Amino acid sequence: KQEVTQIPAALSVPEGENLVLNCSFTDSAIYNLQWFRQDPGKGLTSLLLIQSSQREQTSGRLNASLDKSSGRSTLYIAASQPGDSATYLCAFMDSNYQLIWGAGTKLIIKP
Amino acid sequence: DAGVIQSPRHEVTEMGQEVTLRCKPISGHDYLFWYRQTMMRGLELLIYFNNNVPIDDSGMPEDRFSAKMPNASFSTLKIQPSEPRDSAVYFCASSLLPPRYEQYFGPGTRLTVT
Repeated sequence: KQEVTQIPAALSVPEGENLVLNCSFTDSAIYNLQWFRQDPGKGLTSLLLIQSSQREQTSGRLNASLDKSSGRSTLYIAASQPGDSATYLCAFMDSNYQLIWGAGTKLIIKP
Repeated sequence: DAGVIQSPRHEVTEMGQEVTLRCKPISGHDYLFWYRQTMMRGLELLIYFNNNVPIDDSGMPEDRFSAKMPNASFSTLKIQPSEPRDSAVYFCASSLLPPRYEQYFGPGTRLTVT
């Protein structure tokens, strides 16, 4: 069974720190991997999409990497801000074009 | 574009009642997805459509759930009769041709069945 694991489940850091969120998956036959952000009581916002042929994607202070051989992806957030506080989910698209989801990392950035 | 639009945003109903959730995808998107999110099970794909045709409904929990997409700009998810265990947040998402393009999510409908 395909599984996605996100570590840590929760993270609290002071404002300004750089941080890394981890996502591991068991199925290397993925089409892409997507990172999302979810604010409390809100929908999901797509942050970055990495195709299976790519190694990383960057958007502003966010950088996501993908290593299919090891089944891992990381989301790097530089110079964290209180507005970055949210739950971050990773999901990979399997061979049936379905997204397989992790449980998320709840991130709190303390002012 | 306004993004994916869902209505209602909140729905409270009594057990046994029919519930209809609505979704308008982003114009031009060929794929539409219905998800359910709960604390216990996380995000689950219920069904998805390509060009208004249901492709995979294996995630639909029971016959009480049904989904339709009568045209490219509208989809419904219906629960009849509703049960307390159906309480969850239901999301609609749309995308261009996967896997090249990401999915865009609506704000969700929070359903409470008492």
